[in-house]
Amino acid sequence: GEDVEQSLFLSVREGDSSVINCTYTDSSSTYLYWYKQEPGAGLQLLTYIFSNMDMKQDQRLTVLLNKKDKHLSLRIADTQTGDSAIYFCAETLGDSSYKLIFGSGTRLLVRP
Amino acid sequence: DSGVTQTPKHLITATGQRVTLRCSPRSGDLSVYWYQQSLDQGLQFLIQYYNGEERAKGNILERFSAQQFPDLHSELNLSSLELGDSALYFCASSVVGGAGETQYFGPGTRLLVL
Repeated sequence: GEDVEQSLFLSVREGDSSVINCTYTDSSSTYLYWYKQEPGAGLQLLTYIFSNMDMKQDQRLTVLLNKKDKHLSLRIADTQTGDSAIYFCAETLGDSSYKLIFGSGTRLLVRP
Repeated sequence: DSGVTQTPKHLITATGQRVTLRCSPRSGDLSVYWYQQSLDQGLQFLIQYYNGEERAKGNILERFSAQQFPDLHSELNLSSLELGDSALYFCASSVVGGAGETQYFGPGTRLLVL
């Protein structure tokens, strides 16, 4: 079935690395995404990874995918207070719609 | 700015009423998705349109309907509103709704049903 799970909350100190984890259940996932939602704002795509990749790096962001364990993580290096937001993991399946199936979101709080 | 616009930004209405939410996709995008974000259900896919035709349906209630017009803008109609329909409604667009395409989200319409 379709299910994406994330931990609800993460608190880190400014300058540290943050690691946000996500697990998904559907092995037919084709693409996996990380979106950021700031208070009162819409969803901003941060990065995505194709299911046949293990890792993707984009500036301060590193995505790791363990397909065997169906585990996805987002590492934010040198976390800043501006990174405080809710981070959503999402997957698309191989059906014709490529709709996004979202996790519940992880609220990241960056302490000065 | 994603290029996707949604109106209105906020909507307050009463139970039993009907509202229409509007979405204009990014220029050139043919596919529009609607999502609902609520406290108890999280972010859920409602419905997708491609070039005026319905392509996929998710957890959309029968009281809700949508359409995509020839100019590619889309409207989500919510009727017989209930308190539980209070949520943030997002529209997203992508080029053709295909594999690996980025969905660009609008700022959302916040609906409050009193």
